[in-house]
Parts: sequence; structure tokens; C-alpha cells
Amino acid sequence: KAGVTQTPRYLIKTRGQQVTLSCSPISGHRSVSWYQQTPGQGLQFLFEYFSETQRNKGNFPGRFSGRQFSNSRSEMNVSTLELGDSALYLCASSFIRGQTQETQYFGPGTRLLVL
Amino acid sequence: AQSVTQPDIHITVSEGASLELRCNYSYGATPYLFWYVQSPGQGLQLLLKYFSGDTLVQGIKGFEAEFKRSQSSFNLRKPSVHWSDAAEYFCAVGYNDMRFGAGTRLTVKP
Repeated sequence: KAGVTQTPRYLIKTRGQQVTLSCSPISGHRSVSWYQQTPGQGLQFLFEYFSETQRNKGNFPGRFSGRQFSNSRSEMNVSTLELGDSALYLCASSFIRGQTQETQYFGPGTRLLVL
Repeated sequence: AQSVTQPDIHITVSEGASLELRCNYSYGATPYLFWYVQSPGQGLQLLLKYFSGDTLVQGIKGFEAEFKRSQSSFNLRKPSVHWSDAAEYFCAVGYNDMRFGAGTRLTVKP
């Protein structure tokens, strides 16, 4: 079974621009979560989508948004980029049993550099 | 609120020596606990997980972890470290909105 894939792997943007990152989950996984990883703040939860609905959201400003499509693929968007948005953005997918999300499997990440 | 503490930012061990990485959690209910490993520039790979049942959990690459509810701990162990184990290790708690510890960077001396 193919793992979680994320595109692009690397991205360079300038302040004020917007960016869209894509995540394709493992086949059969309907939950997709996004995380931001920075040296200063570590791994922080952004949001989780299940069946095209955002179920959980971390403590990030409204510039960070996401969506999920009917095939479970997910995108996250960051508008009006700031220097501090430079980070590794990780996507994770998981199988949902009942209402419970099971183990999350992570993609390789998209490394975003904002200049 | 759920949280995870990894007290050791950086640990150095000699190849062949034993390893224990500490993890303490705060969680209102029975926690779902995980250990992940991250090599430089890579995503996170799951080493092992605890949901319920036997408190000693076996994982991949010879790792194991023990859940101790009385100490709110979920420490990761390996009896003999290999040079390829050098990486960053993350403990995590929760499921729908997972919380990660700050990570412990492991250096392995030859």
C-alpha cells in the first residue's frame, strides 16, 4: 500500500504571497491531519479533516485553512505569508473506526521557506 | 488539557549501550500514546503505540515502551543501540488532535 504523499516537497515563497500544499492519504484512510514543525515551536497541530469536514482545529490564525475532497485528498492553504510561516508542514492520515481515529501515518512533509 | 513532556532535549549514547528516552503525559482519560522517530529532513515514522491492554508494548527496530499510569509515563527503551538509531524521537498523546513532546535528539557514539 502506498504511503502518504505530499506535494510539493519544497517551496520558496515571499512575504505576502499565498501557498497551497497537497496531501494524498493512504488508500482507505478518511482522516487527514496537518501539523506545522518549526525548530522553535516543535510539532503543532493545525487541523484535522474527516469526510470533507473539519473536525478539530489547533491554535493557528485564520490565515491557515484547509479542505478535504470526496476522495479524502486534502489541501491546506496559507494566505498572506509571514517569515514565521517557514516550516516543515506534515500531513498524516488515519483510519477511522467508529468515532475513533486510529494510528496516524505521516507523509515526508513539505518544506516551506518564506523570504 | 493534554500535553506531553520529554525532559531530555539531547542524549548521547555509545553504540551497543542501552537507551531509555523519557516521556511524561497529562491527559484526562485513558491516553492513546505513541512514539515516533524522525530522521533529518524526513517525516515521522511510527515506532510503537499504546491504546490499552498489556502495558509493555513492543515496536519496530527493537524498541519497546512501558506505560505506567501511576507515573504518567511512557518511556521508550532499547537494549542495544545501533548507529542507525541516531535521529529525533517524539512522544505523542491523544488521537483526534495529537499533541507532541518537544522531541529528544539521539546521538550515537561509535
